[in-house]
Amino acid sequence: EVQLLESGGGLVQPGGSLRLSCAASGFIFSSQAMTWVRQAPGKGLEWVSGISGGGGSTYYADSVKGRFTISRDNSRNTLSLQMNSLRAEDTAIYYCAKDLLTSTVHAFDIWGQGTLVTVSS
Amino acid sequence: QSVLTQPPSVSAAPGQKVTISCSGGSSNFANEYVSWYQQLPGTAPKLLIYDNYKRPSGIPDRFSGSKSGTSATLAITGLQTGDEADYYCGTWHYSLSAWVFGGGTKLTVL
Repeated sequence: EVQLLESGGGLVQPGGSLRLSCAASGFIFSSQAMTWVRQAPGKGLEWVSGISGGGGSTYYADSVKGRFTISRDNSRNTLSLQMNSLRAEDTAIYYCAKDLLTSTVHAFDIWGQGTLVTVSS
Repeated sequence: QSVLTQPPSVSAAPGQKVTISCSGGSSNFANEYVSWYQQLPGTAPKLLIYDNYKRPSGIPDRFSGSKSGTSATLAITGLQTGDEADYYCGTWHYSLSAWVFGGGTKLTVL
């Protein structure tokens, strides 16, 4: 069964850092691009960042560029999102999602259950 | 303000058909593939349509997608109460070098 399991969410103060992880299973992890999508409370979906299957290409939303870093460890089937300089507006449920393709951000066919990040003092 | 424009809400009776539009507003959108996602209350999104009209395995043919020029449409026939959800369109935006979602449409089955 294809599964994605996020972890690492929690409460952090403004300006702080947090690292999210997404453990993948049930598919050839290195063959698929991966993405992070977030959803603020009561709001719509917002794409955050994507990475190609080999990890050589990364993409970011303007709202997180320079503060967040996406990475992957294909030997451990793990996707990560390092979040620095966090702001109140980063408060959201963060989902990792598997892409249909290998090299580009195309469409997301498998989603994790999400992990909640709360940025507050 | 989302790059992709969706109506905030639509409604229809059980058994009826409803359509949800997604307008890209730029010529680039005409060349991009659109996908659609269903988010039931309290759950993660689910892929309904990709590449404008293709359905992943397990998605019933009551759900269909189409695209013409700078507008895409999700159609749902034979509405069921279990279809009440938020629906999002999405696509890669070459000018922004980023993926974009529409603002979402809340479907109410009356």
